[in-house]
Amino acid sequence: DQQVKQNSPSLSVQEGRISILNCDYTNSMFDYFLWYKKYPAEGPTFLISISSIKDKNEDGRFTVFLNKSAKHLSLHIVPSQPGDSAVYFCAARGSGGYQKVTFGTGTKLQVIP
Amino acid sequence: EPEVTQTPSHQVTQMGQEVILRCVPISNHLYFYWYRQILGQKVEFLVSFYNNEISEKSEIFDDQFSVERPDGSNFTLKIRSTKLEDSAMYFCASSERVGVTEAFFGQGTRLTVV
Repeated sequence: DQQVKQNSPSLSVQEGRISILNCDYTNSMFDYFLWYKKYPAEGPTFLISISSIKDKNEDGRFTVFLNKSAKHLSLHIVPSQPGDSAVYFCAARGSGGYQKVTFGTGTKLQVIP
Repeated sequence: EPEVTQTPSHQVTQMGQEVILRCVPISNHLYFYWYRQILGQKVEFLVSFYNNEISEKSEIFDDQFSVERPDGSNFTLKIRSTKLEDSAMYFCASSERVGVTEAFFGQGTRLTVV
């Protein structure tokens, strides 16, 4: 069951450049999408979200884009900072059971100083 | 800053034994969750809890699992008879109100079944 897929297990970016993390989903019933960041030995931390009725949401250096027709979303971080180095999880919530969140497998981002 | 706290941070148990993982959610939150992450795999939803009852559970959450909010502050996950494949990081989370999906996670309990 891979309803939420992050096909890149890792990504390296130079400090100051843009980081783009991608996520694909298969379930058209998802109506809300989230990105979580996770450091080693810590729980996931909520980063940013987007409703399925929108195509973009921005919060400071973080922007999430949603392409519903392609069932694709992406997280842009600009400029990238060394402290952004972490595992980033894409997650989605179904419109039926609205408390269950389905996570992707994660992308490990390394920002190189 | 309020946070979700989990104890213990690491639990080692023998196969077949019962374990209880404990969590203190953020005090004004109404929804509580357990997730788990097997090493190298994705974070998986186990159960959500609201108004003193399970509101949703996954296929992973079988009869070996139970949750309880015994005293209005703690939220526990019990595994009755642990199996080797229960070894994972277990995360407790809470969210403020109905419809709020942005849950706050604890640091996790690493459960090792030997």
